[in-house]
Amino acid sequence: AQSVTQLGSHVSVSEGALVLLRCNYSSSVPPYLFWYVQYPNQGLQLLLKYTSAATLVKGINGFEAEFKKSETSFHLTKPSAHMSDAAEYFCAVSDGRTGTASKLTFGTGTRLQVTL
Amino acid sequence: ETGVTQSPTHLIKTRGQQVTLRCSSQSGHNTVSWYQQALGQGPQFIFQYYREEENGRGNFPPRFSGLQFPNYSSELNVNALELDDSALYLCASSLGGYLDTQYFGPGTRLTVL
Repeated sequence: AQSVTQLGSHVSVSEGALVLLRCNYSSSVPPYLFWYVQYPNQGLQLLLKYTSAATLVKGINGFEAEFKKSETSFHLTKPSAHMSDAAEYFCAVSDGRTGTASKLTFGTGTRLQVTL
Repeated sequence: ETGVTQSPTHLIKTRGQQVTLRCSSQSGHNTVSWYQQALGQGPQFIFQYYREEENGRGNFPPRFSGLQFPNYSSELNVNALELDDSALYLCASSLGGYLDTQYFGPGTRLTVL
C-alpha cells in the first residue's frame, strides 16, 4: 500500500525567503509522486510530478522537488516565497497501476503562510 | 476549452437523506475520479470511472455509488447521509493513462445536519 506523510501542518515564511515543504512516502512499487496546491475555495492544481525520469523535477510558479529514494522523500522547494504562494499544499503518491488513471493517495496537507 | 466543472457548489442535507453531485469532465477526457476531502484533511479516493465502467474503488461503503455517462460526465450518489459525510467532494478528469495529469474541479461542499 502507498502512503505519504507531510511533516508540518503549518509553515510560515517571510516574503522572499526559501520555501521548504516536506513529504515522505511509502510505496510497495516504484512510486510516482505529485505535489498539488489548493487555494481557498478552489480545487487542486498540479504543481509538478515525478515519473521516474529526472530526480529533480521543475514545476509551475518556480517550485521544484527532488526525489530521494534513499530518504524516501520528495520535498517541495521554492527559492523565494511570494505572497501569492499562500495556500494549502498536498503531496500525493500514485497507486502505480498501469493502463488506467492513477488512484492518488494524498497527505494531510501543509498550509503555507507568507508574511511581509 | 472548458475545465472540470461541478454542481452544485454548496449543498445542505439532513441525516438519512440522499444526494447527487455532478461533474463535467474536461473536453476529451474519458476518466473521472471522485475524492472526499474532510475539513483539515487531504482528499481520499472514493472511486474512478473509465468509459462508463467503475475502475477502482477506495475504502467507502456501498451507499457511495456513481455513474459515468456517454459524454463522460459523472455523478456521485450518496444514500443514507451521515454527519461524517460532510466534506468537500472533488472530481478529477484525465485522459486515462496512469501518468496523465488529473485535473480537479472546484468541488461541491456538502454539509449534513
